[in-house]
Amino acid sequence: QVHLKESVPGLVKPSETLSLTCTVSGGSVSSGSYYWSWLRQAPGKGLEWIGHIRDSGSTNYRPSLKSRVTISIDTSKNQFSLNLTSMTTADTAVFYCARGLWGAYYYYMDVWGKGTTVTVSS
Amino acid sequence: QSVLTQPPSVSGTPGQRVTISCSGRNSNIGSNTVNWYQQLPGTAPKLLIYSNNQRPSGVPDRFSGSKSGTSASLAISGLQSEDEADYYCATWDVSLNAYVFGGGTKATVL
Repeated sequence: QVHLKESVPGLVKPSETLSLTCTVSGGSVSSGSYYWSWLRQAPGKGLEWIGHIRDSGSTNYRPSLKSRVTISIDTSKNQFSLNLTSMTTADTAVFYCARGLWGAYYYYMDVWGKGTTVTVSS
Repeated sequence: QSVLTQPPSVSGTPGQRVTISCSGRNSNIGSNTVNWYQQLPGTAPKLLIYSNNQRPSGVPDRFSGSKSGTSASLAISGLQSEDEADYYCATWDVSLNAYVFGGGTKATVL
């Protein structure tokens, strides 16, 4: 059974960079079949996909966040990470990591972490 | 404004059948399969339906999905109190090159 767990970032100040790590257990981030994803959900709002990475290091990012986002992967630690620069109060959200499966005409997240709350405040 | 359009809410009495619609475009629903996620209050989303109509192991068969053209729908038959949750449709958009969600539908059991 694969489990994903997000790190706890603490308080983030406006203009700072958010750094989150997702630790994968019960499976390997090196499996070529999966896309390791980050998503978020602002308070009272819907889900928003941020981006994903494969074990090869190839990435896709949400266009509106592309200039601020970097997703990386550390196969030796079985982790993948999110960096989001220039944080503002609008970035306050619960951040989730998830495992994605991609194929011809399909893409979905089948395993999710429990989420970590990120509050941006001075 | 979400790329995919869902009704904000649906409701029904226990045992009733309810459906949730999801409307998109050729670049998203028209080009790829649709997934549905269930989010119980205070918890992480859970995959409910993938590839239009496939249920992951453990999902009751009273949940079903379908797709036609640029629209999709989720049906819940025999509504139960534990089905009170937010439901999101999602798919890959080939124009945006991004995974897109509907705004979510809150299902209430009366």
